[in-house]
Amino acid sequence: DAKTTQPTSMDCAEGRAANLPCNHSTISGNEYVYWYRQIHSQGPQYIIHGLKNNETNEMASLIITEDRKSSTLILPHATLRDTAVYYCIVRVAGYGGSQGNLIFGKGTKLSVKP
Amino acid sequence: GAGVSQSPSNKVTEKGKDVELRCDPISGHTALYWYRQSLGQGLEFLIYFQGNSAPDKSGLPSDRFSAERTGGSVSTLTIQRTQQEDSAVYLCASSLQSGHLANNEQFFGPGTRLTVL
Repeated sequence: DAKTTQPTSMDCAEGRAANLPCNHSTISGNEYVYWYRQIHSQGPQYIIHGLKNNETNEMASLIITEDRKSSTLILPHATLRDTAVYYCIVRVAGYGGSQGNLIFGKGTKLSVKP
Repeated sequence: GAGVSQSPSNKVTEKGKDVELRCDPISGHTALYWYRQSLGQGLEFLIYFQGNSAPDKSGLPSDRFSAERTGGSVSTLTIQRTQQEDSAVYLCASSLQSGHLANNEQFFGPGTRLTVL
């Protein structure tokens, strides 16, 4: 079973920030938070990941609470092309093996509207 | 550079037939994963390869499913005696195995849509 809970769906106006929450209250100390998204009819795409510090890259920012029990993915200026299902995943990083596979939940369907 | 490729992109088959799905990972990626996604569902892990060996086959749903990987590159997922419930999108992903965290993202292919009539 997925170790995360996310809202089923969210709407966001084009050009505004999209804030996608994720709860992972049972996260272990050696588990990272990963975010992927899946645009319709495509394979999942990696977005960002983090352990406990906030992270930012060219796609998004990841804010992790101090107790690490929840996080928020922020798309600073959402576009119509950001419409997708966003998956929050916790996993042990480092080496592969049986802990390397991603366990996907249902994700959040983000609809960016003009 | 080239990403993960999968073939065929679509496959329609009759119940009871065998099918083979192919995955070409990113060059140099030693880890390869197979997932499947049924309509409206999340991704379901099937099997993981490190090089040519499969240390984790825990996700294969039945003994009709098998996979192999040769030369540490191309992988084939075989489904024997297909059933209608096998209809799904089969996704392959690869990653560069390394102790460095940043190299462990999985890069996904576009998937093969399998329809069993």
